[in-house]
Amino acid sequence: RKEVEQDPGPFNVPEGATVAFNCTYSNSASQSFFWYRQDCRKEPKLLMSVYSSGNEDGRFTAQLNRASQYISLLIRDSKLSDSATYLCAVNMRGYSSASKIIFGSGTRLSIRP
Amino acid sequence: DVKVTQSSRYLVKRTGEKVFLECVQDMDHENMFWYRQDPGLGLRLIYFSYDVKMKEKGDIPEGYSVSREKKERFSLILESASTNQTSMYLCASSSPAVDTQYFGPGTRLTVL
Repeated sequence: RKEVEQDPGPFNVPEGATVAFNCTYSNSASQSFFWYRQDCRKEPKLLMSVYSSGNEDGRFTAQLNRASQYISLLIRDSKLSDSATYLCAVNMRGYSSASKIIFGSGTRLSIRP
Repeated sequence: DVKVTQSSRYLVKRTGEKVFLECVQDMDHENMFWYRQDPGLGLRLIYFSYDVKMKEKGDIPEGYSVSREKKERFSLILESASTNQTSMYLCASSSPAVDTQYFGPGTRLTVL
């Protein structure tokens, strides 16, 4: 089983739609969770961190479910500019106990007019 | 503003050549990472470093080595480049207190 798994998509939805992505992780000891956005031919950039209580940033809502070991991202009222690949990321402790970040393979989202 | 820079955006090398990819960050971060990104496989961790001269293998370290002689600089070395190392290489840094990663623009390496 992969350490972090995402549905690769692509998701193709009309402008204004609500879309949700899930990401599962295997290590129950993970403490930090993130969603990154990656535009075509660009580097990933942090979209939002995911907190235990859930958090919202404008049209974006992130949730964490520790019992089932998944995180989710909800995008409401989607815009054309939301078209991108969305990567979830989870921290894990290495052998040195230093924290490393493992990424999912990404979910491609395409918003159509 | 946070900045991670990589030495080249595009690089073309021949099989068997030794290749150096350099990454520099200006945020005084303790942690630095090297990933490769391939279609359908996402970002895969090659190596990371949590302090000067300290390193740990990631998920796919075979064929690679790293060097961190100074806090701001993390180098990825391909001792003898092979065609299956053709990929996009991304460097990132983070503070251990926060874990948020900041990425460089990437180096697209082609090995012929």
